[in-house]
Amino acid sequence: KQEVTQIPAALSVPEGENLVLNCSFTDSAIYNLQWFRQDPGKGLTSLLLIQSSQREQTSGRLNASLDKSSGRSTLYIAASQPGDSATYLCAVLTGANSKLTFGKGITLSVRP
Amino acid sequence: GAGVSQSPSNKVTEKGKDVELRCDPISGHTALYWYRQRLGQGLEFLIYFQGNSAPDKSGLPSDRFSAERTGESVSTLTIQRTQQEDSAVYLCASSPGPAREQFFGPGTRLTVL
Repeated sequence: KQEVTQIPAALSVPEGENLVLNCSFTDSAIYNLQWFRQDPGKGLTSLLLIQSSQREQTSGRLNASLDKSSGRSTLYIAASQPGDSATYLCAVLTGANSKLTFGKGITLSVRP
Repeated sequence: GAGVSQSPSNKVTEKGKDVELRCDPISGHTALYWYRQRLGQGLEFLIYFQGNSAPDKSGLPSDRFSAERTGESVSTLTIQRTQQEDSAVYLCASSPGPAREQFFGPGTRLTVL
C-alpha cells in the first residue's frame, strides 16, 4: 500500500527566504507525482506534475525534483512571498486505477 | 476554458437524510475522480471513472455511498442515510485520460448535524 509522508506539518519563514518542502513515498512504482497548493476553504491548485521518467519540473519560482528510486521529491520555492502562504500537498499516482495518494500536507506561513 | 465545477459549495443536512453532490468536469476530460477530505486528515480517494464506467470503486467507505457518471460529463456522488462521520469536503477532479495530470474543483463542504 502506497504511503506518502510530508514532514514537517508546518513551516514558518521570513519573506525572501528560499525554502524546500519534502515528500517521501513508500512504493517507487509510480506513474507521476503532483504538487498542489490548497488555500484555506478552497480546492486544490495543481502546481507541478513530474512524470516518472523525469527528474525535475520548473514553473516560475517553483522547482520540483523527483528521485523515484529513493522515493523522494522536493518542492523548491525561491524568494518566498507572503502570497505563498498555503498548504502544499504532494500526491503520487500509483497503479492503473489512476488514483492519487496524498500526503497530509505542509502548511507554509511566509512572514512579511 | 472553464475548470472543474462542483455544486453545491456547501450542504448542511440532518443525520439520516440522503444527499447528492454534483461534479462538472473539464470538457473533453475522460477521467473523473472523487476524493474526500475530513478535518485534520489527508485526502482519501473514493472512486474513479473512465468514461461512464467505474473501474475502481475501492475507496467508497460503505454501501451508503454510490456514484454515477453520464457519458464523459457530469457525475453525481450520492450518500444515503448520512452519518456525522460523513462530514467532510468532497472534491472532484478530472484529467484528459488515465495517469494524466488531475485538475480539482473547489469542493463541496458537507456538514451532517
